[in-house]
Amino acid sequence: DARVTQTPRHKVTEMGQEVTMRCQPILGHNTVFWYRQTMMQGLELLAYFRNRAPLDDSGMPKDRFSAEMPDATLATLKIQPSEPRDSAVYFCASAPAGVGGYTFGSGTRLTVV
Amino acid sequence: GESVGLHLPTLSVQEGDNSIINCAYSNSASDYFIWYKQESGKGPQFIIDIRSNMDKRQGQRVTVLLNKTVKHLSLQIAATQPGDSAVYFCAEFPGRSTGFQKLVFGTGTRLLVSP
Repeated sequence: DARVTQTPRHKVTEMGQEVTMRCQPILGHNTVFWYRQTMMQGLELLAYFRNRAPLDDSGMPKDRFSAEMPDATLATLKIQPSEPRDSAVYFCASAPAGVGGYTFGSGTRLTVV
Repeated sequence: GESVGLHLPTLSVQEGDNSIINCAYSNSASDYFIWYKQESGKGPQFIIDIRSNMDKRQGQRVTVLLNKTVKHLSLQIAATQPGDSAVYFCAEFPGRSTGFQKLVFGTGTRLLVSP
């Protein structure tokens, strides 16, 4: 089965450190999403890309978060500097062109201490 | 200080029972709906979808019903098994008038299946 691959699965870091999360979308999917999931807020959309171009990142704290797609096989989400309130599970999802379901990765569980 | 978590509605059933999980959606222009299942420690997983020109769609042990009049979606799971224990999310596409379509997720329902 085609899958979305996220690395790392778990990350523990100290407050103030830079964190980079990576995602390999399904080959041929042209839309990539970054979500954050916490007990408090549920699933929040942070940013998404279509054909590698950022379409909307209004869900992200601009001062510390950044999302990029250096190429069609890699999406990155970076937090610099990280804060304890960033602790959450970050999911990447990809989707084909047109209306269709998203395929989610297994997530990166981030803990900032 | 006190913390307030996201209180998910919970449905508790016995193994072998049929389960019905409900979802109310807000946008009458939504034309495509999906149910996702999220098991502990995993990402949401696609279960079944339905388009707005249909009232019912069946999969393996699952059925989705759509009532556009009252903007209600339900997921029926037949002969529920312990492996069905998870959080279930409904999601809607808000319709072509909004341009690029993003899925809008509901808050989820936790299904607990007892052996």
